[in-house]
Amino acid sequence: AQTVTQSQPEMSVQEAETVTLSCTYDTSESDYYLFWYKQPPSRQMILVIRQEAYKQQNATENRFSVNFQKAAKSFSLKISDSQLGDAAMYFCAYRTYNFNKFYFGSGTKLNVKP
Amino acid sequence: SAVISQKPSRDICQRGTSLTIQCQVDSQVTMMFWYRQQPGQSLTLIATANQGSEATYESGFVIDKFPISRPNLTFSTLTVSNMSPEDSSIYLCSVAPATGDEAFFGQGTRLTVV
Repeated sequence: AQTVTQSQPEMSVQEAETVTLSCTYDTSESDYYLFWYKQPPSRQMILVIRQEAYKQQNATENRFSVNFQKAAKSFSLKISDSQLGDAAMYFCAYRTYNFNKFYFGSGTKLNVKP
Repeated sequence: SAVISQKPSRDICQRGTSLTIQCQVDSQVTMMFWYRQQPGQSLTLIATANQGSEATYESGFVIDKFPISRPNLTFSTLTVSNMSPEDSSIYLCSVAPATGDEAFFGQGTRLTVV
């Protein structure tokens, strides 16, 4: 089975600075999807960014970008110009290509300091 | 995309009782997923609910404890039966309407068993 590992249980960043959250995964598939989700205290899971494994170009969404290294099975999230509203739990997730199964990492709690 | 309405948003229950959580989706979906998120932890898949068939449970979860109904393509319920304090968690309903889609989540049900 696929596993997703987030090795940073908690991180802190100063407002307006940049922070990178790490994620690695284990799979034997060649095609799959990767996601970063944000979960604020409201509990609502919010999609931050997604990456298709067959695309070499790293996904970008405004201040959020990923560094996708397929050979290394690494999928890190970079948050630029951090804002107080970015404070949340961040989960890395893997979706199998042919099935609707998702695997989630253990999460990284991001603190943003004013 | 999909919009999911989940209720109740929170409840405090006595041990030994049961709680049924409802999940309504604004579009027809083949599979619906139920997750448990224990305090400070990641999401653990409880079961996958397909319309017209028995739910498929993950290792460690059984139908007697977590019976699931899926009467149509837009609705599902999860019952947490004979509750104990160890069942205190957030329960999340999720769908992924199409291949490659991200997972969409309900707002979660925070259950406290006393």
